[in-house]
Amino acid sequence: QVTMKESGPALVKPTQTLTLTCTFSGFSLSTSAMRVSWIRQPPGKALEWLARIDWDDDKFYSTSLKTRLTISKDTSKNQVVLTMTNMDPVDTATYYCARMIATSYFDYWGQGTLVTVSS
Amino acid sequence: QTVVTQEPSFSVSPGGTVTLTCGLSSGSVSTNYYPSWYQQTPGQAPRTLIYSTNTRSSGVPDRFSGSILGNKAALTITGAQADDESDYYCLLYMGSGIVLFGGGTKVTVL
Repeated sequence: QVTMKESGPALVKPTQTLTLTCTFSGFSLSTSAMRVSWIRQPPGKALEWLARIDWDDDKFYSTSLKTRLTISKDTSKNQVVLTMTNMDPVDTATYYCARMIATSYFDYWGQGTLVTVSS
Repeated sequence: QTVVTQEPSFSVSPGGTVTLTCGLSSGSVSTNYYPSWYQQTPGQAPRTLIYSTNTRSSGVPDRFSGSILGNKAALTITGAQADDESDYYCLLYMGSGIVLFGGGTKVTVL
């Protein structure tokens, strides 16, 4: 079965760069039509899509955050990495990774990891 | 900047029916936006309910249904149960690899 799990620091300081890793099992990101996205959710607020990487290494970013985001994959390790630069307290959120087998929806989600931005 | 709109909250009686909608700040939602719906309870990851307008995800009860109503996507819960009390988010595919979430609807069953 498909499982996904996010990992990374629980606390980062303002202006630092955040690096999150999504480790998954049950599928391969080298298989056609497989995609992985990152989504975040500030406490008490709505979900926000951040970025997506496809099996063929195509990458897509949120319009509002694209200057700060980089997504990459390591197919051999079944991992997807998201980096976000210049972190600010407003970036405090639970960050989720999720699988997509179509371009339009998520079918499996990780449990999420809470990242707090504070000095 | 396009915004995906949802009602902030809804209340439904146990056994009752409620329809949540998902619209656009500019324009109409059609099947070409491939609307999908997600249920989230506090402290939990979202759960996929509906994709491609009206296809239920595996294991989702048939009391959840998706449709297009007028110029919006819609999620209808028929025969609401206590454990349907959750936040519900819609997602629209905007093209060029971009997807947008709505602001979410908090559903209370009482």
